[in-house]
This record gives sequence, C-alpha cells and structure tokens, in this order.
Amino acid sequence: GQQVMQIPQYQHVQEGEDFTTYCNSSTTLSNIQWYKQRPGGHPVFLIQLVKSGEVKKQKRLTFQFGEAKKNSSLHITATQTTDVGTYFCAGNSGGGADGLTFGKGTHLIIQP
Amino acid sequence: IAGITQAPTSQILAAGRRMTLRCTQDMRHNAMYWYRQDLGLGLRLIHYSNTAGTTGKGEVPDGYSVSRANTDDFPLTLASAVPSQTSVYFCASSVIAGANEQFFGPGTRLTVL
Repeated sequence: GQQVMQIPQYQHVQEGEDFTTYCNSSTTLSNIQWYKQRPGGHPVFLIQLVKSGEVKKQKRLTFQFGEAKKNSSLHITATQTTDVGTYFCAGNSGGGADGLTFGKGTHLIIQP
Repeated sequence: IAGITQAPTSQILAAGRRMTLRCTQDMRHNAMYWYRQDLGLGLRLIHYSNTAGTTGKGEVPDGYSVSRANTDDFPLTLASAVPSQTSVYFCASSVIAGANEQFFGPGTRLTVL
C-alpha cells in the first residue's frame, strides 16, 4: 500500500532559526495536505497542494509540492515559540475512498 | 455542538471489556474516519466511512468495528479490549472522502490494563 515517509522525526531549533520538514510518498499523489498538532491537541489542517510544482505561502510558512507529485516540504522562516508542535503531511493517491495516509510527523522543539 | 465532538475524553478500561468511543459531527460531512495515534507511529487509519450506511477498513482495523447509521454519528467499538489498544483515538470528518481537509475531534485517551 501507499507509504508516506517524513523526516526528520525531531528537530530542535533556536527561536528565530528556520525549520524544514520533508515528506516523500511511495506513489504519485493526487494531493497532499499538511496538518499541525500542538502538544496535547488534535491535528489542525494547514493547507492542501494539488498541482505539480505548486508553492503556497502562509505568512512565515512555505509549502511546496514536487514536480513528480511524490514529495513535499514545509519551511518555516524565523521560528517563533508559537510554532511548537508536530507537523504532519498526509497524502491522497486519488482513490479517495480510504482517506489520507499520514506521515509520522516532525516534532518541532524551539529553544528560546 | 460546533464541529466534531468525541466522548469520553479519557477512559481506563480492563482488558477483555467492551468499549464504544463516540463521535458526532454537525457539519453534515459525508466522510468520517477513525485514527489511532501512538508515539513514533503517527496517525494510523482504523476505519472510514464515505457516506452514511457504508464503512471500510483502514490500515489497522483488527479488534475494532464501526457503524454509520446516519450522517452525524460514527461510533468505534472495541469488542474485547487488549493492552495494545492503549492509544489516543481521533475521529475526523471531511466534506467528501480524500479530496478535502479533514476536521479532527479533540480525541479520546484510552488506557487498557
């Protein structure tokens, strides 16, 4: 079945440094979604990418979808303490019937 | 109710007991999902439902069953709980299966002893 791999598992940064998490799928995706989960909370949708090579920005967050639609990245510029949490990518291979396949997430830890 | 709710918030259960986790959404979403979240393993899909009256198996369905009698409710039942089912369970919904963002409930923390 479809597998979605996400690296790194953990990332420690100093406040103000940049952060990037990478996601790779074993199959071509129809779309990819990104979620954020704060400690003790539930996953919250951030964005969906659909087109090959697509780049979307949300303030300090930049999301990219690879040309082959098998990989994606999330980059945060100048991290803040509010960015703490786990970031998940989730891929959909197009069948739709069985929902999303989530990566294992990247835990972002920020040291002030 | 606003969004998606789950009950109970947490539960400690003896092994061998039957348990039903409840999930209700008021957004009239067609698709609903159950995930379990374990440290280091991320979110794994247990069961899903594309629309009322239909259900399907996800990645880790063994030991769990679901029903979807109406649009709003999607209960998850553990027929005979085992310690390996200790986890945080999230219910989620989306307008349609796969193509839309998923809205997650607050989760149920289940401990099986």
